[in-house]
Amino acid sequence: DTEVTQTPKHLVMGMTNKKSLKCEQHMGHRAMYWYKQKAKKPPELMFVYSYEKLSINESVPSRFSPECPNSSLLNLHLHALQPEDSALYLCASSQDPPGLTARGQFFGPGTRLTVL
Amino acid sequence: GDSVTQMEGPVTLSEEAFLTINCTYTATGYPSLFWYVQYPGEGLQLLLKATKADDKGSNKGFEATYRKETTSFHLEKGSVQVSDSAVYFCALTPRLGAGNMLTFGGGTRLMVKP
Repeated sequence: DTEVTQTPKHLVMGMTNKKSLKCEQHMGHRAMYWYKQKAKKPPELMFVYSYEKLSINESVPSRFSPECPNSSLLNLHLHALQPEDSALYLCASSQDPPGLTARGQFFGPGTRLTVL
Repeated sequence: GDSVTQMEGPVTLSEEAFLTINCTYTATGYPSLFWYVQYPGEGLQLLLKATKADDKGSNKGFEATYRKETTSFHLEKGSVQVSDSAVYFCALTPRLGAGNMLTFGGGTRLMVKP
């Protein structure tokens, strides 16, 4: 299984709502990532988990709260978002450590988030 | 810090035309280089990679050669199809110290007309 899955595919939420994005992989990867992608831009890194521990937080506002319950799952909890947070949220995974040959990151299809 | 520069798009071609998308990079040491493709409404797919100088990555008719002397990794395809219309991202991973962290270029949109 070389797939990263994400749910839901689309999400519309109000600024007072609480919702969660989910990501799952079964490739045995121990590094997982959340990215935010705006239209016509490359993905921007938000968080990195390594062996289920948060290793990088790219100064993301606290209204985004990541969680890694186990080595296969990654969640992103959303609360009190702003309209400018509307974007495509991508999850990715990779080997960690990368070993002698970097194999890149594998991305999920993304969740298209709209904040009203 | 590391950086990746891609040619500005959009690139518009007719079907069966030759494609080149330029990519140059700045990095210390010997990074690994990648091309990712993003089809409309989808996530990123790893298209090809090269991990050392003079390596050629290839997949689905696309190829790119790791040129250390010119710090380049240009993407080429001999005959594009309408189905190749997508956004293409060049990216690098440092060889040491940063695991699989990716630095992306700005992306190049390719539009192929029948």
